[in-house]
Amino acid sequence: RKEVEQDPGPFNVPEGATVAFNCTYSNSASQSFFWYRQDCRKEPKLLMSVYSSGNEDGRFTAQLNRASQYISLLIRDSKLSDSATYLCVVNGGNNDMRFGAGTRLTVKP
Amino acid sequence: DAGITQSPRHKVTETGTPVTLRCHQTENHRYMYWYRQDPGHGLRLIHYSYGVKDTDKGEVSDGYSVSRSKTEDFLLTLESATSSQTSVYFCAISGQGGQNGYTFGSGTRLTVV
Repeated sequence: RKEVEQDPGPFNVPEGATVAFNCTYSNSASQSFFWYRQDCRKEPKLLMSVYSSGNEDGRFTAQLNRASQYISLLIRDSKLSDSATYLCVVNGGNNDMRFGAGTRLTVKP
Repeated sequence: DAGITQSPRHKVTETGTPVTLRCHQTENHRYMYWYRQDPGHGLRLIHYSYGVKDTDKGEVSDGYSVSRSKTEDFLLTLESATSSQTSVYFCAISGQGGQNGYTFGSGTRLTVV
């Protein structure tokens, strides 16, 4: 079983749609959680951290459920520029950062 | 943007040759990491460093070595390149050991023929 699992997609949605990505992790002692965005042939870039209380940044909402070891990312009012691969990242502590394989999103006009 | 650069950006090399990739940072961060990214896999940690001359192995360290003689430079060496080491290699830096996430370099696309 992989440490961090994501639905690989692809998710193909029209502009303006709401789309949700899910991620599960196996290490119950994990300490911090992130969503990264990776454009084609580019490096991953931090999109947002994920806090236990849930957090929002504009059209993006991230949630964490420690009991179920589950993280989600919700994107509202999708834009063409949101097309990318979204990586779920879990920090187990002691430099043990684990990456999901990513979920690919394509937003179409 | 954070000051982290990787060189070279692309490299093609022959099986059996040694290859060194360089990561350079201007952020004075303590932690530096080398990852490889392959289709169907998440980024996988090769080696990391927690200070000058302090390094440790990651998940996929076989066939790789690293050195950190200065805070700003972290070198990854493929001792004898194999086709299975064809990959995209990313360097990352962190000031807090990952508590605030990592910042990545632009990557090195390595092809071993």
